[in-house]
Amino acid sequence: EVQLVESGGGFVQPGGSLRLSCRASGFTFTSYAMSWVRQAPGKGLEWVSVISGGGDSPYYGDSVKGRFTISRDNSRNTLFLQMNSLRVEDTAVYYCAKSRTDWVNDAFEIWGQGTMVTVSS
Amino acid sequence: EIVLTQSPATLSLSPGERATLSCRASQSISSYLAWYQQKPGQAPRLLIYDASNRATGIPARFSGSGSGTDFTLTISSLEPEDFAVYYCQQRSTWPTFGPGTKVDIK
Repeated sequence: EVQLVESGGGFVQPGGSLRLSCRASGFTFTSYAMSWVRQAPGKGLEWVSVISGGGDSPYYGDSVKGRFTISRDNSRNTLFLQMNSLRVEDTAVYYCAKSRTDWVNDAFEIWGQGTMVTVSS
Repeated sequence: EIVLTQSPATLSLSPGERATLSCRASQSISSYLAWYQQKPGQAPRLLIYDASNRATGIPARFSGSGSGTDFTLTISSLEPEDFAVYYCQQRSTWPTFGPGTKVDIK
């Protein structure tokens, strides 16, 4: 069974940092691009970042560029999102998502259950 | 940035009825459009990719059509489990999502 399990969310003050993890199973992890997508409470979906299967090509949405870093450890089938300089508006459920193909910009075929990040003073 | 507009915001229907959801892009996105279903407290689920292709395991009552700037998701006969929020998403440029259409029970 294909599965994505996120962890690492929590409560942090503005300006702080958090590192999210997403453990993948049930598919050949290195063969697929992986993304982070977030959803603020009661709001819609916003793409955050994507990384290629090999991990050498990361891309970011404008709202997080320069503050967030996506990475992956293919030996551990794990995706990461390092979030620095957090703002109140970063408060959201963060989902990791598997691309439908190895292309970095494809539909999001499988989603994790999400991890909540709350940024507040 | 490509902006997606979804209509209506809310669609109130009864089980067994046909649902027609619209998604319009601010510029042509060819067929690079996906549809997702999200139920309360759950992650989104991919229904349709590249405008008209059903994802694995998606029932045949879900169908997608359109190209360029205008797209439609049709649910031919609503089942009780289909009442949810539906989002469209483009991948012609870096991904953006529409604001969603809520399908609720009339």
